[in-house]
Amino acid sequence: EAQVTQNPRYLITVTGKKLTVTCSQNMNHEYMSWYRQDPGLGLRQIYYSMNVEVTDKGDVPEGYKVSRKEKRNFPLILESPSPNQTSLYFCASTHPGSASDTQYFGPGTRLTVL
Amino acid sequence: AQSVSQHNHHVILSEAASLELGCNYSYGGTVNLFWYVQYPGQHLQLLLKYFSGDPLVKGIKGFEAEFIKSKFSFNLRKPSVQWSDTAEYFCAVNGGGLYNFNKFYFGSGTKLNVKP
Repeated sequence: EAQVTQNPRYLITVTGKKLTVTCSQNMNHEYMSWYRQDPGLGLRQIYYSMNVEVTDKGDVPEGYKVSRKEKRNFPLILESPSPNQTSLYFCASTHPGSASDTQYFGPGTRLTVL
Repeated sequence: AQSVSQHNHHVILSEAASLELGCNYSYGGTVNLFWYVQYPGQHLQLLLKYFSGDPLVKGIKGFEAEFIKSKFSFNLRKPSVQWSDTAEYFCAVNGGGLYNFNKFYFGSGTKLNVKP
């Protein structure tokens, strides 16, 4: 089954404690992306990756890091989380340019930073 | 800067009513356009997309959207809504073509409540 998985699904942490949210896709997609969803703001792109070792900033990259060492994985790293990073995070992947492509979203990670 | 505007933040309709959700974008170039739906507690799912060709795009569940380039609009329509269409709807845009497929911009979303 084609899917994007994220772990953990829920996380409560404290300010300054480094954390990583994992994202993995099984569709051999080149393009992967991270978003945060906040009420009234829709989804805002944090980082995206066009392929292995190719990443770039989205609209709201401050306070986040990513890496793309393998095609299937695209972890999101918060080196020193702060309360304003409390949000719902989605990972997504797609194969850009193909006639049948669509952006598949993961189930989401709800992060609370105290 | 690129942006996507969804004019209606909250829409309430009765079953069988017709739906039109507005979406306008600001993007300097060829665009790919999308509508996503998010049912309560779930992740986003693609309803339909426009890359090129016929500006009237048909998607799943009876939804369609029309790309009007001169108005920078991509409005979503459905002739007759059902209670199961209750969800939040997001319009999104990114640069057109394979080599411009980079950043995605989403609107702030429209919550649709359909009364049975």
